[in-house]
Amino acid sequence: GAGVSQSPSNKVTEKGKDVELRCDPISGHTALYWYRQRLGQGLEFLIYFQGNSAPDKSGLPSDRFSAERTGESVSTLTIQRTQQEDSAVYLCASSLSPSSGRAGEQFFGPGTRLTVL
Amino acid sequence: AQSVTQLGSHVSVSEGALVLLRCNYSSSVPPYLFWYVQYPNQGLQLLLKYTTGATLVKGINGFEAEFKKSETSFHLTKPSAHMSDAAEYFCAVTPGNSGGYQKVTFGTGTKLQVIP
Repeated sequence: GAGVSQSPSNKVTEKGKDVELRCDPISGHTALYWYRQRLGQGLEFLIYFQGNSAPDKSGLPSDRFSAERTGESVSTLTIQRTQQEDSAVYLCASSLSPSSGRAGEQFFGPGTRLTVL
Repeated sequence: AQSVTQLGSHVSVSEGALVLLRCNYSSSVPPYLFWYVQYPNQGLQLLLKYTTGATLVKGINGFEAEFKKSETSFHLTKPSAHMSDAAEYFCAVTPGNSGGYQKVTFGTGTKLQVIP
């Protein structure tokens, strides 16, 4: 089937505007992750959804960041009042449930490149 | 709690030379370990993984890694580097058999440069 998809692929916005990034995971994947990757840097964990459990939001850098997930499907990451420091590639990944024995094996989307002017 | 340390943010090797990328982890439970590769301007893809069983695991493109519990290491190797191996490599850990919670923690990455 299709892989993880993200939209938009690129987003340019002005400082102070809100943006919404979308992730469509692989069908049947119960876990969904959001990461931020600043230019030339590693992956920064943002949030983790696992099935119907409460999400792990420990990586969200500020209260301007929030994420939602509808059941075990689409997720949206919202950044309010964007700042220039938010400029980065935002990556989404999904994986199977822990009971599959393949949890942790993540499939990544192509990312959304966010530029805040 | 879990963490990953990748020694060396940049590694340069000559084409044909041995590639060794280091990864050490900490985990309060037996871990699952992964290496991911990110080629320039591309997304991450799984290179190889260790869950249980054989401690030497083989991945794509001739890479392999060995889980050493006593050293809490999972170093990535390849006998002979190719130009096409130039990429960034990420080591990652997740708790194995954690009963439902499997947050994955990534290292900071190692950029591999292959010199002709």
